[in-house]
Amino acid sequence: AQTVTQSQPEMSVQEAETVTLSCTYDTSESNYYLFWYKQPPSRQMILVIRQEAYKQQNATENRFSVNFQKAAKSFSLKISDSQLGDTAMYFCAFGVWGTSGSRLTFGEGTQLTVNP
Amino acid sequence: GAVVSQHPSRVICKSGTSVKIECRSLDFQATTMFWYRQFPKQSLMLMATSNEGSKATYEQGVEKDKFLINHASLTLSTLTVTSAHPEDSSFYICSARDGSGLDTQYFGPGTRLTVL
Repeated sequence: AQTVTQSQPEMSVQEAETVTLSCTYDTSESNYYLFWYKQPPSRQMILVIRQEAYKQQNATENRFSVNFQKAAKSFSLKISDSQLGDTAMYFCAFGVWGTSGSRLTFGEGTQLTVNP
Repeated sequence: GAVVSQHPSRVICKSGTSVKIECRSLDFQATTMFWYRQFPKQSLMLMATSNEGSKATYEQGVEKDKFLINHASLTLSTLTVTSAHPEDSSFYICSARDGSGLDTQYFGPGTRLTVL
């Protein structure tokens, strides 16, 4: 079974600054995907960034980037130039796709508040 | 692209009645859809995995006779909460797996169920 741990229940950052959210996971799988989703107050889950485990290069999407350390089973999210609209709950998720079933395992979430 | 709709967005019903929630992938075909439940300030809990044309796979502890899932087409899955009780009140979220290209789950906006 997979587990995902987000050790920071809450974080805050000033607008325009950079913040890093931590995520660690545990698995015996060799092929998997990792995701960061954000859930703003509207509660709509929005995909932020995605990383395939077989890729060594860290994924980047505009102001969002990850630091993927496969050996350490770590997958942190860096948000640069934070904006007020980044205020949300952020969930790290682990995904394994296969014929036996496809599922995401979520961490407990980190509530990020961007202050003006 | 990759839009998932969910209807209704909120529903209030009396105890003992049944409620149906629809989940649709609008611009892609989803062979697999997922149903989650989320309690306030908590993470998403997977209830069941729905595969088009076959029976849903329920997570341990989820009553399949209470939470009926139907996935009759590649773009529609439904969750029916039968004989609803106040303890079934929650936020229900569906997601659809886009099996092509990026192979990622995209989420619906959720349904707030309140059982009186």
